[in-house]
Amino acid sequence: GAVVSQHPSRVICKSGTSVKIECRSLDFQATTMFWYRQFPKQSLMLMATSNEGSKATYEQGVEKDKFLINHASLTLSTLTVTSAHPEDSSFYICSATDSSGNSPLHFGNGTRLTVT
Amino acid sequence: GENVEQHPSTLSVQEGDSAVIKCTYSDSASNYFPWYKQELGKRPQLIIDIRSNVGEKKDQRIAVTLNKTAKHFSLHITETQPEDSAVYFCAADDSNYQLIWGAGTKLIIKP
Repeated sequence: GAVVSQHPSRVICKSGTSVKIECRSLDFQATTMFWYRQFPKQSLMLMATSNEGSKATYEQGVEKDKFLINHASLTLSTLTVTSAHPEDSSFYICSATDSSGNSPLHFGNGTRLTVT
Repeated sequence: GENVEQHPSTLSVQEGDSAVIKCTYSDSASNYFPWYKQELGKRPQLIIDIRSNVGEKKDQRIAVTLNKTAKHFSLHITETQPEDSAVYFCAADDSNYQLIWGAGTKLIIKP
C-alpha cells in the first residue's frame, strides 16, 4: 500500500530555534499534501494544504510566516516551525494523496515537537 | 462550509458487544466519508470508507452506513475485541479533497 514517511518522529528544541519536519511519499506521487496539528485528546486540525509547485493554502488562524511549508516535488513536503515557542509543542502529522480523487489519505507517523 | 459532528465522545462497551459511532455533516455536496482509527501517539489509520453512491459497506467486523438524505453516517463494529480500543474519527470531504474531521470518539472495550 501507499506509504508516507515522516521525520523526525520526535524532536526537542529550545525556544527561538526552528525545526523542519519532512514528509515523503515513498511509492506514489503526492500532488497534494496536508499538514495537521493535534493537541492531546483532540481531533486533527488542518493547518495548511500544499500542492506541488505552488504556494500552500493556510487555514484561518495559522501564521504562514511561522509555519513555512514547501512542496517542491511530488514526493516531498516540509513544514518548518520558525522561532518555536513552548505553545508550538504539539503532534504534527502530514498526509498525502495523489491526483486521482479516488485515493484515500495516507498519513505519516507524526512528529512530536517539544519546545523547551 | 462543511461541519462534522461526532457522537459520542466516549463509548464503553463490553468485549464481544457491538459499538456504534455516529456522525452528521452539513454539506450535501460531500461525497467521501472515511473513518480513521488512532491509537495513542500514532497516526490515524483508515479502517473503512464510503462514497455517496453507496448506502452501506462492510469489511469483516466493521461496517459503515450512509444516509445522504439525513446527512449522517455511522460506524458499526461487531464482536468487539480489546484491540479495538482506540480513538475513532469520522470525516467528510469538501472541495480539493480536504477532510473535515469529527471531534473523535474514544472507544473503550471492557474485558
